[in-house]
Amino acid sequence: AQSVTQPDIHITVSEGASLELRCNYSYGATPYLFWYVQSPGQGLQLLLKYFSGDTLVQGIKGFEAEFKRSQSSFNLRKPSVHWSDAAEYFCAGGRYGGATNKLIFGTGTLLAVQP
Amino acid sequence: SQTIHQWPATLVQPVGSPLSLECTVEGTSNPNLYWYRQAAGRGLQLLFYSVGIGQISSEVPQNLSASRPQDRQFILSSKKLLLSDSGFYLCAWRPGDPYEQYFGPGTRLTVT
Repeated sequence: AQSVTQPDIHITVSEGASLELRCNYSYGATPYLFWYVQSPGQGLQLLLKYFSGDTLVQGIKGFEAEFKRSQSSFNLRKPSVHWSDAAEYFCAGGRYGGATNKLIFGTGTLLAVQP
Repeated sequence: SQTIHQWPATLVQPVGSPLSLECTVEGTSNPNLYWYRQAAGRGLQLLFYSVGIGQISSEVPQNLSASRPQDRQFILSSKKLLLSDSGFYLCAWRPGDPYEQYFGPGTRLTVT
């Protein structure tokens, strides 16, 4: 069955430190993948997306993610975290030619930023 | 540009009362539409999705229902709310497969 897994429920980093949020997917074929961010009480905002081609994708707010087929991963990175990055982050995936129009979301990683 | 609206933003309803949440999308046509729910401290649960007017697919059996009376309007309803219906309800749209989904601001529903 197709799945998207975010192993870390909660992560705390210091402001200015680097960040990596993990996402693993399980698809029979090449998926397309997304990262979203959600601030408290808000909707989800798209950070970046991967469909094909260059495996390193750049997004908004200084985020990037790398698609690694061999590891079935699509980890989100940022070189220097700002206090405003504190939020919940969701990885999501879909499959080309899938029978449905649904995306599968991970359970989310809550990021706290220490001053 | 496209915009997605949800209302109301917040709602407090007693158990057993009806529910109607509305979602509309502007600036696009024939979008795929989705209703999600987030319970406190949990991820997104897909409730319904629609690929066209009158076409509704249900993901989770429950006392909620959805309708799409117009191309860019998606409504979530219930005849009798349960305490377990409390949560944050998100509407989303996308142009089709394999594009990304765009989310509305959400409705916070508290059932008392």
